[in-house]
Amino acid sequence: DAGVTQSPTHLIKTRGQHVTLRCSPISGHKSVSWYQQVLGQGPQFIFQYYEKEERGRGNFPDRFSARQFPNYSSELNVNALLLGDSALYLCASSLGNPAGEQYFGPGTRLTVT
Amino acid sequence: AQSVAQPEDQVNVAEGNPLTVKCTYSVSGNPYLFWYVQYPNRGLQFLLKYITGDNLVKGSYGFEAEFNKSQTSFHLKKPSALVSDSALYFCAVRDGGGGGADGLTFGKGTHLIIQP
Repeated sequence: DAGVTQSPTHLIKTRGQHVTLRCSPISGHKSVSWYQQVLGQGPQFIFQYYEKEERGRGNFPDRFSARQFPNYSSELNVNALLLGDSALYLCASSLGNPAGEQYFGPGTRLTVT
Repeated sequence: AQSVAQPEDQVNVAEGNPLTVKCTYSVSGNPYLFWYVQYPNRGLQFLLKYITGDNLVKGSYGFEAEFNKSQTSFHLKKPSALVSDSALYFCAVRDGGGGGADGLTFGKGTHLIIQP
């Protein structure tokens, strides 16, 4: 069975640009969450979507936005990129049960120069 | 607000010896606790979780964890370490009374190094 897939694998952008990251969840999973992992730190929660609705949001500025499509795939958008946005962006899918585990994709490595 | 502390940046263990990776947490409601492992240039892999019930939880690859409510701890353990266990380990928590959002709060991670 296919796991969580993310694209692209790596991305280099310039300050002020916009970026879109994509995620496809495990088949049957209706919830997608996004995390930012800065080097040397644990992942930080950005968003959770369930059945195309935003269910939760972490402490990130409005430059970060996301959406979930009818097929449960998801996009994370970041506007006006800053150097500090350089990180590994992880997508996780789950059934949406708060007691359930999340399954993570390999991540997208974003470098902002 | 919820938080997780992993007090050790690195744990060194000889192969064949028992290992412990420490984790303490803080939540306002009932804790849902998770351990994940991350290998270089890879995403996180789920190891085990505690939701309710028996305080000793068994997971993948021979790992187990003990939930201690009075000490607000959830330490990861393995009776006999393998060199292949060397990786970065994350403890995570979610508030079971969080109203539906299932965003996890992670610790900063502990590098586990198993020496041959």
